[in-house]
Amino acid sequence: DTGVSQDPRHKITKRGQNVTFRCDPISEHNRLYWYRQTLGQGPEFLTYFQNEAQLEKSRLLSDRFSAERPKGSFSTLEIQRTEQGDSAMYLCATSAREETGELFFGEGSRLTVL
Amino acid sequence: SQELEQSPQSLIVQEGKNLTINCTSSKTLYGLYWYKQKYGEGLIFLMMLQKGGEEKSHEKITAKLDEKKQQSSLHITASQPSHAGIYLCGAPDTGTASKLTFGTGTRLQVTL
Repeated sequence: DTGVSQDPRHKITKRGQNVTFRCDPISEHNRLYWYRQTLGQGPEFLTYFQNEAQLEKSRLLSDRFSAERPKGSFSTLEIQRTEQGDSAMYLCATSAREETGELFFGEGSRLTVL
Repeated sequence: SQELEQSPQSLIVQEGKNLTINCTSSKTLYGLYWYKQKYGEGLIFLMMLQKGGEEKSHEKITAKLDEKKQQSSLHITASQPSHAGIYLCGAPDTGTASKLTFGTGTRLQVTL
């Protein structure tokens, strides 16, 4: 247990529905990242927050995806109008100091879009 | 953008045997990070290498970064079933480790 928790762990939804994932970071970590991982691939960067500010977004993050981190604490990742191609593991990671490079990952939220 | 290629893609070794996993970059690395992932779970940080020629060890795992900072290897001595999982190398695109690009991973199975 790294101290980063994600909810839900598994989500099955029908195409076209909206889904939201939540990440609760280690309390003293001000940096929070979202990654997406598909079967047999390494994680791909989606977006990054420093405190409440969203500092970077990947081109992978289409308009259907939105992430927030109100008050610099927990974060949510919402996917609107889900598509089958959105099926993946969504991983949240946090870090305390950028220069260490050590990311603490949650166990992920697995999304299946039928 | 940076690309990391890992080899082999998968590996089956007998308990007690040594093994090596390689990670090769298309560009000079600012740093190289090794993570381990159990199937269906999150990633666990193993080691970070930053300097050319650097080598680090933790228990039976040793990671090295070559002098040119384009290739890293992860070596496991006397493998155990607890070593089974997916090993991923990751590297930052810039000098700051704000985000990592990961390789596709090496799946390791350790048989009894």
